[in-house]
Amino acid sequence: GENVEQHPSTLSVQEGDSAVIKCTYSDSASNYFPWYKQELGKRPQLIIDIRSNVGEKKDQRIAVTLNKTAKHFSLHITETQPEDSAVYFCAASFGNEKLTFGTGTRLTIIP
Amino acid sequence: DSGVTQTPKHLITATGQRVTLRCSPRSGDLSVYWYQQSLDQGLQFLIQYYNGEERAKGNILERFSAQQFPDLHSELNLSSLELGDSALYFCASSVIAGNNGYTFGSGTRLTVV
Repeated sequence: GENVEQHPSTLSVQEGDSAVIKCTYSDSASNYFPWYKQELGKRPQLIIDIRSNVGEKKDQRIAVTLNKTAKHFSLHITETQPEDSAVYFCAASFGNEKLTFGTGTRLTIIP
Repeated sequence: DSGVTQTPKHLITATGQRVTLRCSPRSGDLSVYWYQQSLDQGLQFLIQYYNGEERAKGNILERFSAQQFPDLHSELNLSSLELGDSALYFCASSVIAGNNGYTFGSGTRLTVV
């Protein structure tokens, strides 16, 4: 089955700087890669996703890049703000298979 | 409101007891997933149902069971509870499967004392 590795497990950045979280996946057939943000005690929420026919997708300060050859995808957050502090999960799936989640990255924005 | 409804929001119970967690998926979603999240841990996949049938099974203990009913709501039954079962239990739903993303409910926080 699919295996998703996520790094780093914790990340601290100064407010205003950029943050990058990286994930690798094992199944080359995977074609859907969402990212979820989970604030403390709350539900995970989808913030951005990308499909395998696209190399990059942006939504305001958030972007995701996909390298199918290397089987890795990354979340980029620019101009970080205190409200970006949360746990971020990447995930991957193929077709009708369930999502396989990474282990999460705790992002802390330092004011 | 995500459209996925989980009840109850909080549950405190004693060791050895049995509880039932309930999930109503978003309208139109056929798949329901259950996840366990212990303190500061990731999302541990328990089980998936699709249109009433078990579709995939994760690291679900034998003391735990689940089902999805004809109206598509799902219940997760936890029995012979232990202290280590204390966690946040999330239900998520999707139209068919993973490749359109999941919508998570707000979770049930279970505390076993």
